Amino acid sequence: GNSVTQMEGPVTLSEEAFLTINCTYTATGYPSLFWYVQYPGEGLQLLLKATKADDKGSNKGFEATYRKETTSFHLEKGSVQVSDSAVYFCALSDPGEGFNKFYFGSGTKLNVKP
Amino acid sequence: EAQVTQNPRYLITVTGKKLTVTCSQNMNHEYMSWYRQDPGLGLRQIYYSMNVEVTDKGDVPEGYKVSRKEKRNFPLILESPSPNQTSLYFCASSHSGSGSDTQYFGPGTRLTVL
Repeated sequence: GNSVTQMEGPVTLSEEAFLTINCTYTATGYPSLFWYVQYPGEGLQLLLKATKADDKGSNKGFEATYRKETTSFHLEKGSVQVSDSAVYFCALSDPGEGFNKFYFGSGTKLNVKP
Repeated sequence: EAQVTQNPRYLITVTGKKLTVTCSQNMNHEYMSWYRQDPGLGLRQIYYSMNVEVTDKGDVPEGYKVSRKEKRNFPLILESPSPNQTSLYFCASSHSGSGSDTQYFGPGTRLTVL
């Protein structure tokens, strides 16, 4: 079956530090991969996505590369800000299910200290 | 303003008392979906709808019903709520169910079943 595994949090970093949040997946086909972000008290927002192997999604300084050989989609940012404090979710949708079903990881909370 | 709205935002109820959580989107989206968010489990999909009168089960449909009589509305019905349905619920919509579409999330409904 399909599943997404994320590194456990919380992750606490100082401002301007480098961020990596690991995400690995299991899927039957060639899924589309997403990173969503949830700010306190809000719904989720799409941060970036990639739909095929070796694609790199990027937005707001965040990047993630679709690695089929390692079934990974790790999120990175070179220099985090306090405003990046949020919960980050990795997710996939599988073409074998018509892209209609979505699978989310358990979320990784990021705390950035000034 | 393009948005997904949910009502109510907070609800405390008792076991067995039927309730409905409404979801509405003003973006003319075909695809809509319901998720529940629980600590350590991330988001799990309850039901989704690909268009009017077309719905299907997600990963955790037990104890829930949905209907899609109009394109903009996708209510979630709990016929006989139980304490294990205490959770944070999110509705989401996207233009279609394709693998690259962005899902837009509502603000969430926090449900407590006593």
